[in-house]
Amino acid sequence: GAVVSQHPSWVICKSGTSVKIECRSLDFQATTMFWYRQFPKQSLMLMATSNEGSKATYEQGVEKDKFLINHASLTLSTLTVTSAHPEDSSFYICSARDFQGRSYGYTFGSGTRLTVV
Amino acid sequence: SQQGEEDPQALSIQEGENATMNCSYKTSINNLQWYRQNSGRGLVHLILIRSNEREKHSGRLRVTLDTSKKSSSLLITASRAADTASYFCATDTEKLVFGKGMKLTVNP
Repeated sequence: GAVVSQHPSWVICKSGTSVKIECRSLDFQATTMFWYRQFPKQSLMLMATSNEGSKATYEQGVEKDKFLINHASLTLSTLTVTSAHPEDSSFYICSARDFQGRSYGYTFGSGTRLTVV
Repeated sequence: SQQGEEDPQALSIQEGENATMNCSYKTSINNLQWYRQNSGRGLVHLILIRSNEREKHSGRLRVTLDTSKKSSSLLITASRAADTASYFCATDTEKLVFGKGMKLTVNP
């Protein structure tokens, strides 16, 4: 089945630094990927839709200059949290969409736990 | 953005009992999906029901969809301690939007 690899699985960084998270579709091409964040005991909140070869579409309230998304190839999307602050500490999950027979299917990465100290 | 609203938010039952979770949404959808998540880890896809389907089964899972009421339910029969997890519904409208989720605890 479809597999999405997300890396790193966890990262600790200092306030003010930037962190890059990678999301790769391993055995399929994904023209569209999605990025979510999840705070403890809360649901997944869609941050943005990443489209290969074009600019990402951000959800309302998500700062595009804060969360830079690059989808340079059909198998790789990256999320860079710039000038990270403790309030950015969260669980970030990516998802890749591909057409599976009759409809689109979504495959999720295993997530990245970001802690900003 | 969030669309689905699960009801109840938390449920605690004994092993062997059935667990029912409800989800309501607001817009037209292509399909509705249910996921589980253990302790803030990755998501596990449970079942997908298309907008033209009313009921679907997978093992101990039964999902219903009522598009006129914009609601869905997930029934887990004969629950096990291993079913303890958070469960989310997600509506597919060319992107997946998750509901608030429900924490299920199955006591041995």
